[in-house]
Amino acid sequence: GDSVTQTEGLVTLTKGLPVMLNCTYQTTYSPFLFWYVQHLNEAPKLLLKSSTDNKRTEHQGFYATLHKSSSSFHLQKSSVQLSDSALYFCALSDLYGGSGNKLIFGTGTLLSVKP
Amino acid sequence: EAAVTQSPRNKVTVTGGNVTLSCRQTNSHNYMYWYRQDTGHGLRLIHYSYGAGNLQIGDVPDGYKATRTTQEDFFLLLELASPSQTSLYFCASSDRPGGQYFGPGTRLTVL
Repeated sequence: GDSVTQTEGLVTLTKGLPVMLNCTYQTTYSPFLFWYVQHLNEAPKLLLKSSTDNKRTEHQGFYATLHKSSSSFHLQKSSVQLSDSALYFCALSDLYGGSGNKLIFGTGTLLSVKP
Repeated sequence: EAAVTQSPRNKVTVTGGNVTLSCRQTNSHNYMYWYRQDTGHGLRLIHYSYGAGNLQIGDVPDGYKATRTTQEDFFLLLELASPSQTSLYFCASSDRPGGQYFGPGTRLTVL
């Protein structure tokens, strides 16, 4: 079945360093990939999305590229800030709206940025 | 951005109790969803709906009912609450492929 895998449960970094959070997926339909960010005691918010192969998408200093050949959509940032500490979810949907626009979520990666 | 509200924000009930969680969205989205969030499991889909009167089964539906009364309103019902249903519940809406917008969440504790 369709699935999303995030291999890191917790990533701890010092402020100013680069980060990459891994996301791979399996699907039978045309993929639409998302990154959501959830700060403590808040709702998940959409950070990035892409359905275009090999095109980088960016928002708020974060960027990701959908690679259909490797079924990956890794999230990166060149220099993390304390305010980036949050839970990050990768999610998968059907580009053409099948299955009611359902999202399949990974289990999430907690990013903790230290001073 | 879509506006999704949930009530109550916090709820405590006892085992066997009856609970209704409410969700309203004000952007005329067709699709609405109920999720639960638990540590180690991420977000899991309970039920979802295409529109008023429609209900679709999600991935973890056992113990939950839902009803979509209008395009704006989607309710989650726990008729015999159990401690295993202690969780953080999110409602979300969308109108097309491109992502879902989440409400602020309801924290439910079943004693």
